[in-house]
Amino acid sequence: DAGVTQSPTHLIKTRGQQVTLRCSPKSGHDTVSWYQQALGQGPQFIFQYYEEEERQRGNFPDRFSGHQFPNYSSELNVNALLLGDSALYLCASSLVLAGGGDTQYFGPGTRLTVL
Amino acid sequence: GNSVTQMEGPVTLSEEAFLTINCTYTATGYPSLFWYVQYPGEGLQLLLKATKADDKGSNKGFEATYRKETTSFHLEKGSVQVSDSAVYFCALVLVSGGYNKLIFGAGTRLAVHP
Repeated sequence: DAGVTQSPTHLIKTRGQQVTLRCSPKSGHDTVSWYQQALGQGPQFIFQYYEEEERQRGNFPDRFSGHQFPNYSSELNVNALLLGDSALYLCASSLVLAGGGDTQYFGPGTRLTVL
Repeated sequence: GNSVTQMEGPVTLSEEAFLTINCTYTATGYPSLFWYVQYPGEGLQLLLKATKADDKGSNKGFEATYRKETTSFHLEKGSVQVSDSAVYFCALVLVSGGYNKLIFGAGTRLAVHP
């Protein structure tokens, strides 16, 4: 049973550039959430996708956008990168409508460094 | 609002010592509670969960009991090992209409020495 996968593992960008991160959910899951984890802090919720639509959004600017595909995989896009966007970006998947939907399973993350 | 507060780290213990990491929460409804563990350079792994008051979650020798009266979910282990060295995150989720946003504490770093 494949778990949550993310790509790439590491990424280095410069200020003002744009970045796309990718996530494939755990087999059988239909919902993908994205979190940002700054160094030494707990993860912060960015947004959640279900049925190819954004269902919830945390306190992040519009520079952060996403997409979910028919196969439930997802992308996180960040435009006009700032130094403060340097963080570990975590993807989590869950099966919301099956009763156990409160449990999210995380991928290994993508480490983004903005120079 | 909804929030999670964890004891500050680092927590430094000798192997086979007893571990307690305190976690308290504030929530407007009836949350499910979780402990996740993060090993160096990795993502988060689910350690244990509890979905209602007085439930006890357990896994790999770790335990935590959902205490509604004290709004707490303290993590315990009777005898820690060097391999338990990691950062531990307490989290809550309020599931409503299919929405399940996780709210995390700041994390507690545990270092276990031989």
